[in-house]
Amino acid sequence: KNQVEQSPQSLIILEGKNCTLQCNYTVSPFSNLRWYKQDTGRGPVSLTIMTFSENTKSNGRYTATLDADTKQSSLHITASQLSDSASYICVVSGVGGSQGNLIFGKGTKLSVKP
Amino acid sequence: DAGVTQSPTHLIKTRGQHVTLRCSPISGHKSVSWYQQVLGQGPQFIFQYYEKEERGRGNFPDRFSARQFPNYSSELNVNALLLGDSALYLCASSLPGADTQYFGPGTRLTVL
Repeated sequence: KNQVEQSPQSLIILEGKNCTLQCNYTVSPFSNLRWYKQDTGRGPVSLTIMTFSENTKSNGRYTATLDADTKQSSLHITASQLSDSASYICVVSGVGGSQGNLIFGKGTKLSVKP
Repeated sequence: DAGVTQSPTHLIKTRGQHVTLRCSPISGHKSVSWYQQVLGQGPQFIFQYYEKEERGRGNFPDRFSARQFPNYSSELNVNALLLGDSALYLCASSLPGADTQYFGPGTRLTVL
């Protein structure tokens, strides 16, 4: 069964600290992996997209890594800010053009405290 | 440019009623997808429409239906509402063949 598991479920860190969120998946065949940021009550916003041939991709203070062999990805946030408080969702796309091939994780809820 | 817009932002209905949610994609985007996000969970795929045709359907009952109009806007209809239909309904649009989806702010549906 195609699944995306994220950990931890929730995380509290102090402003300025770094953190790493994890994503493990069993989706096969695999096309790409995306990380989204979702503020409470808002729609998700894309942070990064990586294909199986990419190991790392950065977007400002966000750096995503991908190990297609172990089917693991991480999202590293550097020098966290209060505005980073949100849910971070890992989405894995199977092969095929339909958006129905997207498998969403449940997300990691990050709270950044002053 | 305006992003994906959805209406209404919030909606309260009672069991058994029906509801229509609306979505306008980003200008130039012809693909629209609908998702249901229950509190504390990731979005679940409901439908994808492209060029007014259904291109994908998730594991949702026939009470859920959708359509896309010539201007690429879309409606999601839910009949015979159940308490479990309470969720944030997200619409996302994308360019043909593109990997990046752009999500709207969602419609928060509460069924009492």
